[in-house]
Amino acid sequence: AQSVSQHNHHVILSEAASLELGCNYSYGGTVNLFWYVQYPGQHLQLLLKYFSGDPLVKGIKGFEAEFIKSKFSFNLRKPSVQWSDTAEYFCAVIGKGGSYIPTFGRGTSLIVHP
Amino acid sequence: GAGVSQSPSNKVTEKGKDVELRCDPISGHTALYWYRQSLGQGLEFLIYFQGNSAPDKSGLPSDRFSAERTGGSVSTLTIQRTQQEDSAVYLCASSLRLAEETQYFGPGTRLLVL
Repeated sequence: AQSVSQHNHHVILSEAASLELGCNYSYGGTVNLFWYVQYPGQHLQLLLKYFSGDPLVKGIKGFEAEFIKSKFSFNLRKPSVQWSDTAEYFCAVIGKGGSYIPTFGRGTSLIVHP
Repeated sequence: GAGVSQSPSNKVTEKGKDVELRCDPISGHTALYWYRQSLGQGLEFLIYFQGNSAPDKSGLPSDRFSAERTGGSVSTLTIQRTQQEDSAVYLCASSLRLAEETQYFGPGTRLLVL
């Protein structure tokens, strides 16, 4: 069975601070990895995804994530956060060749103070 | 183009009543997913459809939950004899294909069981 762990449940930062949200997964094979974001009052939307190739992927709004296979990790980063980044962030994994059931982490609530 | 829509947006019901939640996916998307989002619990996968077929129903919490999809489009999630623990936001998402595609989420149906 696959699982996703997001270590930080609540993060509070000041504007311009750097951000790193942890995501670790467990699965016995290759995976597709996603970060989704839910801004207050809005739908969940894709931030970035990794399927194959360059393990450093760039998404919208200056976010990036690095897939480190040896650590089963897919951490989300942003060099300088803005107040508008306040949102809930979810890491998700789908095992390739498996049941196609997506597994989401519990989410990380990010609050950025202006 | 139109995104994923869900109805109703909010539903308040009495314990023991049946409820039906509707999802209209993006036109042409063959895969459709249902999730449950409870406070602080992240997204709980319920069921997915490939076309009109639901290959894996093991995510449904109990036999009071059922779902169907007709015409490869609209899907309904039915909860029979609702219980207070069914209170949550029920999210629907669709994607062009399984697994390797971005999921597009609807706004959700907020269900409150009194």
